[in-house]
Amino acid sequence: GQQLNQSPQSMFIQEGEDVSMNCTSSSIFNTWLWYKQDPGEGPVLLIALYKAGELTSNGRLTAQFGITRKDSFLNISASIPSDVGIYFCAANLYGNKLVFGAGTILRVKS
Amino acid sequence: EPEVTQTPSHQVTQMGQEVILRCVPISNHLYFYWYRQILGQKVEFLVSFYNNEISEKSEIFDDQFSVERPDGSNFTLKIRSTKLEDSAMYFCASTGGGNQPQHFGDGTRLSIL
Repeated sequence: GQQLNQSPQSMFIQEGEDVSMNCTSSSIFNTWLWYKQDPGEGPVLLIALYKAGELTSNGRLTAQFGITRKDSFLNISASIPSDVGIYFCAANLYGNKLVFGAGTILRVKS
Repeated sequence: EPEVTQTPSHQVTQMGQEVILRCVPISNHLYFYWYRQILGQKVEFLVSFYNNEISEKSEIFDDQFSVERPDGSNFTLKIRSTKLEDSAMYFCASTGGGNQPQHFGDGTRLSIL
């Protein structure tokens, strides 16, 4: 079945540092999404990508849809304590069910 | 900003009992989904629903599960006879269709005793 391999699994970073995480798959998708999940809450959409090669920013967040349509990365610049949480990549084909990565747990040392 | 709302936030049920989880999707959305997240694991697709019928379901969504849109606003997930392994967070999501992203509720934590 379709699977997304997300890395790293977790990371500790110093406040102010840049963060990078990525997702890869052996399957092709036409939409890639990045969500953040805080404890006790549902996934909140951060960035949506619809076109191979697309690079999109949302404040300090930047994400790219890989040119092969099989991968995506998310960068967070100048991390702050409220960036703590779990980041999930997700992808689908033609608006169907989402396939999720296993998540990247982000912990920030203040 | 419109949001997906789910009730209850936490449901504790005895094994073998029926449970109904409720969702109010974003009002102009047409496609509805249920996902499950077992503690510490990834979010998994259960079922999608459009035009008053199931459009796709996963192998998790067996005969014990059913979904319904009983009126113009609610979307429910029923588990007929709960098992211990049904304990998880259940998320409802909705989208307007096409390539529009899915928006998620805050989930219902289901605990089966």
